[in-house]
Amino acid sequence: AQKVTQAQTEISVVEKEDVTLDCVYETRDTTYYLFWYKQPPSGELVFLIRRNSFDEQNEISGRYSWNFQKSTSSFNFTITASQVVDSAVYFCALSSGGYNKLIFGAGTRLAVHP
Amino acid sequence: KAGVTQTPRYLIKTRGQQVTLSCSPISGHRSVSWYQQTPGQGLQFLFEYFSETQRNKGNFPGRFSGRQFSNSRSEMNVSTLELGDSALYLCASSLGTGQVNEQFFGPGTRLTVL
Repeated sequence: AQKVTQAQTEISVVEKEDVTLDCVYETRDTTYYLFWYKQPPSGELVFLIRRNSFDEQNEISGRYSWNFQKSTSSFNFTITASQVVDSAVYFCALSSGGYNKLIFGAGTRLAVHP
Repeated sequence: KAGVTQTPRYLIKTRGQQVTLSCSPISGHRSVSWYQQTPGQGLQFLFEYFSETQRNKGNFPGRFSGRQFSNSRSEMNVSTLELGDSALYLCASSLGTGQVNEQFFGPGTRLTVL
């Protein structure tokens, strides 16, 4: 079975704090892809990153960084020095065994307060 | 490049009616996927179309159907609407060829069934 678990339902931080969003996935496939999307209040899902199962290198993009660990089936997302504009719902997703079918986690609502 | 567009943005229907939603993918993208987002079930995959063929299907009843045209535009149809069909319907486009690509989402159509 394929599954994505985002255990943190809501996180509230004050601006400039670092925050890590957790994502744990399950799949029996050896080839799979992991994604993070951001959904601001406007509702549109914004693509943040795609990572394939053979690439465990961590990635940094500005204030965003991702830590992929196959040993723990986790793909965590860290925002450094959070800003109010980072307030949104963040989704982790898995594509495994079939083209563009994304299996989403329940999402983590991040509120960044000034 | 223009992003993914969806029309209409909002719809109100009554039980038993049918509805058609439209999605225009990013130019050059040949794959279109549809997702349903509800507070209770989260984001769920409906189906994917590539080159006018349904390539993947989620676990939804036959009342949900779709099609893709030669210009890659896609429509989804829901017949005999039920209250539980009230949701945000998101369309995503991707290149669709080779490895799993990132999907880019449209703003969604918010369907309310009364």
